[in-house]
Amino acid sequence: GAVVSQHPSWVICKSGTSVKIECRSLDFQATTMFWYRQFPKQSLMLMATSNEGSKATYEQGVEKDKFLINHASLTLSTLTVTSAHPEDSSFYICSARFTRVYEQYFGPGTRLTVT
Amino acid sequence: GENVEQHPSTLSVQEGDSAVIKCTYSDSASNYFPWYKQELGKGPQLIIDIRSNVGEKKDQRIAVTLNKTAKHFSLHITETQPEDSAVYFCAATSGTYKYIFGTGTRLKVLA
Repeated sequence: GAVVSQHPSWVICKSGTSVKIECRSLDFQATTMFWYRQFPKQSLMLMATSNEGSKATYEQGVEKDKFLINHASLTLSTLTVTSAHPEDSSFYICSARFTRVYEQYFGPGTRLTVT
Repeated sequence: GENVEQHPSTLSVQEGDSAVIKCTYSDSASNYFPWYKQELGKGPQLIIDIRSNVGEKKDQRIAVTLNKTAKHFSLHITETQPEDSAVYFCAATSGTYKYIFGTGTRLKVLA
């Protein structure tokens, strides 16, 4: 149980374009979803927290207009990287949790390369 | 702000030996401490966790200990195997449910 999927697993896009990453909880309803970014050989950095039906809460230093998060349902959250630049190239990982539970279940990650 | 320190950053052990990774947290309100294993190119996998009302928890070859007074917790892996080689992250959270991650430990088990 508690499976989280991400799509796509990897994506290459050109500088200036936008790319959307999906995060789905497959066998549970996720009260909250989190988006992380991880650079090579570094830890996970929380970008934003999203609750179904409400606006995402972004961490300090994360541009909300650049990283658009939509948590449209209890099983789906999307991250759109707008006007991507090479420095946005990273490993993006989502996680999900359900009500009254501390555990976060992580997706397999999406490798974004901006050329 | 809230911080979790993790040591060592790299750890090499012989197959069959034990490995210990330590984390120290700063927020005294932290009450849940998970450990994740991350293999190359994959998302983190929860391997064990502990709540603040428990001092120790064990699951086969893996155990976690928590010292609330000193604000530190440790991961113990016994009888290490090559497939234990990965990056391990500790984390801490309080009622906000946001995780503060440690910096990670790259464990290499030598056959």
